[in-house]
Amino acid sequence: AQKITQTQPGMFVQEKEAVTLDCTYDTSDQSYGLFWYKQPSSGEMIFLIYQGSYDEQNATEGRYSLNFQKARKSANLVISASQLGDSAMYFCAMREGTARDDKIIFGKGTRLHILP
Amino acid sequence: GAGVSQSPRYKVTKRGQDVALRCDPISGHVSLYWYRQALGQGPEFLTYFNYEAQQDKSGLPNDRFSAERPEGSISTLTIQRTEQRDSAMYRCASSLGGGADTQYFGPGTRLTVL
Repeated sequence: AQKITQTQPGMFVQEKEAVTLDCTYDTSDQSYGLFWYKQPSSGEMIFLIYQGSYDEQNATEGRYSLNFQKARKSANLVISASQLGDSAMYFCAMREGTARDDKIIFGKGTRLHILP
Repeated sequence: GAGVSQSPRYKVTKRGQDVALRCDPISGHVSLYWYRQALGQGPEFLTYFNYEAQQDKSGLPNDRFSAERPEGSISTLTIQRTEQRDSAMYRCASSLGGGADTQYFGPGTRLTVL
């Protein structure tokens, strides 16, 4: 079974609109971490935001917020006021277990296109 | 400070040759990770180190792949007797350790095996 599921292979969104990228995860661990990374066409992997499983508040970083719904095992990324530079591949990822230095498992990604 | 660096950025080799890919983590970062990313896919874990100790190598595809980090800083991923299926982007990441688990990625090495 896939650990991280991103159901939207591609999305087209008008500039300045808000965007929600879906991510569901599968784990039996109580302690885990959830990440979102951005990969523009240049190929670099840019860390965006992190949510710990015990964090009570949804994580926010500037225009990025993580809509964490633990019971539904959902960790959607919300980008407010989208910009042309947001066009990129976005990966949701999870680190399982209590060892906070353990490997990250990535989803297949969502390619986001921002239209002018 | 400088981010994670990798060299070479591009490597083209013939099938059967050995290759060594180098990763220089962010200064002071304890943990170092190797991932492989196929085109259009997310990175897949290969192996990781805390300091010089290899903690998990469960993602290495077979015994042609090995990695080391002898002094707890720079790491080398070696692929022996390369095959065409080894062609991919190889990414290195590092994290501070000690409870800070955000991994920061390098630019990757694009390996092409002819």
